[in-house]
Amino acid sequence: EAQVTQNPRYLITVTGKKLTVTCSQNMNHEYMSWYRQDPGLGLRQIYYSMNVEVTDKGDVPEGYKVSRKEKRNFPLILESPSPNQTSLYFCASSLRPAGKHEKLFFGSGTQLSVL
Amino acid sequence: GQQVMQIPQYQHVQEGEDFTTYCNSSTTLSNIQWYKQRPGGHPVFLIQLVKSGEVKKQKRLTFQFGEAKKNSSLHITATQTTDVGTYFCAGHQAGTALIFGKGTTLSVSS
Repeated sequence: EAQVTQNPRYLITVTGKKLTVTCSQNMNHEYMSWYRQDPGLGLRQIYYSMNVEVTDKGDVPEGYKVSRKEKRNFPLILESPSPNQTSLYFCASSLRPAGKHEKLFFGSGTQLSVL
Repeated sequence: GQQVMQIPQYQHVQEGEDFTTYCNSSTTLSNIQWYKQRPGGHPVFLIQLVKSGEVKKQKRLTFQFGEAKKNSSLHITATQTTDVGTYFCAGHQAGTALIFGKGTTLSVSS
């Protein structure tokens, strides 16, 4: 089944403890992206990747890191999480890079709470 | 910065009533996409409009793209409880990454 898989689904952590949210897609998509969703603010892009080893900042990149060493995986790393990073996170992918009228496929989301 | 405005933020209707959400951009969009997110779920692609003045229908849902390609609407006829969720529009402005509106959350009472 074609899908975007995120793990974990829920995560509670404490301030400063490094964490990684994994994202994997099995559709051979070139483009992958991370969003955070907060009440009243909609979906805001954190980072995106046009292809392997190509990543770039989105609208709200501060406090986050990403890597794209393989085409299928695009982990989101929080080196030192803070409470303002408590949010619902979505990974998404599309066949070709954004701007090519490609639809996005979203993962199921990761609800992160930083205490 | 570049924005896609979406209104209303919330809408409550009685089952059977119609519902419309509107999306507006200050600049021309190359396309508009619509996504639906069920409560507790993730956004799911519904449709894409590319041509000026384009209208597409999916059963009770009607999607329009404005003549100037700066606005769009999603209209649901005779809402059902299965229509509850948040509807997002998203568009590309001059080669930018896809920009999402903040969404309209629809609730339906039976």
